[in-house]
Amino acid sequence: DSGVTQTPKHLITATGQRVTLRCSPRSGDLSVYWYQQSLDQGLQFLIQYYNGEERAKGNILERFSAQQFPDLHSELNLSSLELGDSALYFCASSVAPQGQLLRDTQYFGPGTRLTVL
Amino acid sequence: LAKTTQPISMDSYEGQEVNITCSHNNIATNDYITWYQQFPSQGPRFIIQGYKTKVTNEVASLFIPADRKSSTLSLPRVSLSDTAVYYCLVGGGSGGYQKVTFGTGTKLQVIP
Repeated sequence: DSGVTQTPKHLITATGQRVTLRCSPRSGDLSVYWYQQSLDQGLQFLIQYYNGEERAKGNILERFSAQQFPDLHSELNLSSLELGDSALYFCASSVAPQGQLLRDTQYFGPGTRLTVL
Repeated sequence: LAKTTQPISMDSYEGQEVNITCSHNNIATNDYITWYQQFPSQGPRFIIQGYKTKVTNEVASLFIPADRKSSTLSLPRVSLSDTAVYYCLVGGGSGGYQKVTFGTGTKLQVIP
């Protein structure tokens, strides 16, 4: 158990719909990362938040958005869903201290499996 | 961002030592090298991290040459439960945030 929780575990929805995935980081971790993993593909970094602010952006579609709340939990919103959005969505957290020579182990949650029909 | 290149797949017999090499030619001065293990339908799990030379823990060893343009994860005496995808991650940065790049990973199949 990494200490990172994600809900829901499974989500089945239809094309065109909107869903929200939730992530609670490990206690004390200020950074939250979102990743997408489609079938037979590696982990694609989507976005990172640090203490409520967006810090890094990866391959995140415009239809997707995220935010991190004052209590540090994060939500990933996926809208106008398409069949190709079906994937495992992972959240990870880390301490992400300030400063140079950053060495920041990420702890991954169990993932949310999204199926778009 | 430092791009990583790893072999797509590897096979090994139980009890053998497995070495997986990752190339990261444009690694930055502040970047650390981290390896993660992922089982199907589970989130990746941290294995080991290093900056230079050699690092060893209870699970694996990580060898990093002086130029840091590559790294090798060494798994001693693998068992069937080591069958997984192994990701090399090079990341770091300044200013308190981290840009991360996961490669395609190496699928290790341990054979009885």
